[in-house]
Amino acid sequence: QKEVEQNSGPLSVPEGAIASLNCTYSDRGSQSFFWYRQYSGKSPELIMSIYSNGDKEDGRFTAQLNKASQYVSLLIRDSQPSDSATYLCAVTPSGGYQKVTFGTGTKLQVIP
Amino acid sequence: DVKVTQSSRYLVKRTGEKVFLECVQDMDHENMFWYRQDPGLGLRLIYFSYDVKMKEKGDIPEGYSVSREKKERFSLILESASTNQTSMYLCASSLPSGTYNEQFFGPGTRLTVL
Repeated sequence: QKEVEQNSGPLSVPEGAIASLNCTYSDRGSQSFFWYRQYSGKSPELIMSIYSNGDKEDGRFTAQLNKASQYVSLLIRDSQPSDSATYLCAVTPSGGYQKVTFGTGTKLQVIP
Repeated sequence: DVKVTQSSRYLVKRTGEKVFLECVQDMDHENMFWYRQDPGLGLRLIYFSYDVKMKEKGDIPEGYSVSREKKERFSLILESASTNQTSMYLCASSLPSGTYNEQFFGPGTRLTVL
């Protein structure tokens, strides 16, 4: 089992819809959770961090964390074509405080 | 504003050459990381450094070495480049906090080894 799992996609949503991206992780002791956006040919850009159970909202983005289910999600409201990118989920494993484990990413396509 | 820079965006080298990739951050971060990213394999950690002159192997250190002589600079060295080291190389930095350890990435170096 991979440490951080994401559906590779592509996930296609129409412009203006809500995009829902999901991530599961295997280390129950994980403390920190991140979402990165990566445009083709570019480096990952941090868009959300979440550290406690529940929802965290930032503009059109909402991160959701459920530690009991070992599940992290990212919702993008009012999706725009400019949101088309690969979204990487990243987790700090227990005991590895300086390191982060990345998922392989979900490709999102927003259709105009 | 957070800034991580890498010495080259694109690099073409020949098999057997010694290759230096450099990364500089201006955020006074203690931690610095080198990853490679390949299609279908995601980001894989090569080495990281948590202090000047300190380093730890990541998941795929074979064929690579690193140097950190100054806090702001972290170099990745390919002692004898091989074609299977053709990849996108990404540098990142973070604070040493156990929890708030967001990593910030440089623009990447796309290395081709012929």
